[in-house]
Amino acid sequence: DGGITQSPKYLFRKEGQNVTLSCEQNLNHDAMYWYRQDPGQGLRLIYYSQIVNDFQKGDIAEGYSVSREKKESFPLTVTSAQKNPTAFYLCASSSISKGTEAFFGQGTRLTVV
Amino acid sequence: EDQVTQSPEALRLQEGESSSLNCSYTVSGLRGLFWYRQDPGKGPEFLFTLYSAGEEKEKERLKATLTKKESFLHITAPKPEDSATYLCAPLETDKLIFGTGTRLQVFP
Repeated sequence: DGGITQSPKYLFRKEGQNVTLSCEQNLNHDAMYWYRQDPGQGLRLIYYSQIVNDFQKGDIAEGYSVSREKKESFPLTVTSAQKNPTAFYLCASSSISKGTEAFFGQGTRLTVV
Repeated sequence: EDQVTQSPEALRLQEGESSSLNCSYTVSGLRGLFWYRQDPGKGPEFLFTLYSAGEEKEKERLKATLTKKESFLHITAPKPEDSATYLCAPLETDKLIFGTGTRLQVFP
């Protein structure tokens, strides 16, 4: 089945450690996005990418990094520089050229312990 | 700066009590506007796409409309299973930004 897969579903991190969240899609979409969602809040854009080997900062990029080495994959690294990383992270993909809707993964809940 | 505002933040309705949710936005290069539904702990689920002012889309008890600066999601005779957070997202030239959402609760 075509879709977008995030892993893991739950992730625990010790303070001071970097952690990488996986996002893979087999929809042949050119655009991919990472969002952060805090309890009771909307989605805030962290990074987005329209093509391989290129990405742009969103509204809250500080403390995060991404790569886009393959069209299908857009991993997000939460670095130790992110002061408040505990949140729900959502990845999405869409066809920018068609301007159609974005499809979302089921999210990764990151908790700093 | 691009802004997306949804109102109200929270809405409590009795089953069968119709209402509307608002999404107002200031973005450049608008290519379309999406509505999503999100259940707790899950990723957003796509509902509608609107591309031009005056456009309307319907699905069961939901109807979405679009003007140049805002969009409405009308809920007619809601049921408890319509309880969720509803998110709007204007698509800019190259990025997708979201509003803060409206948390809808429908009581029997």
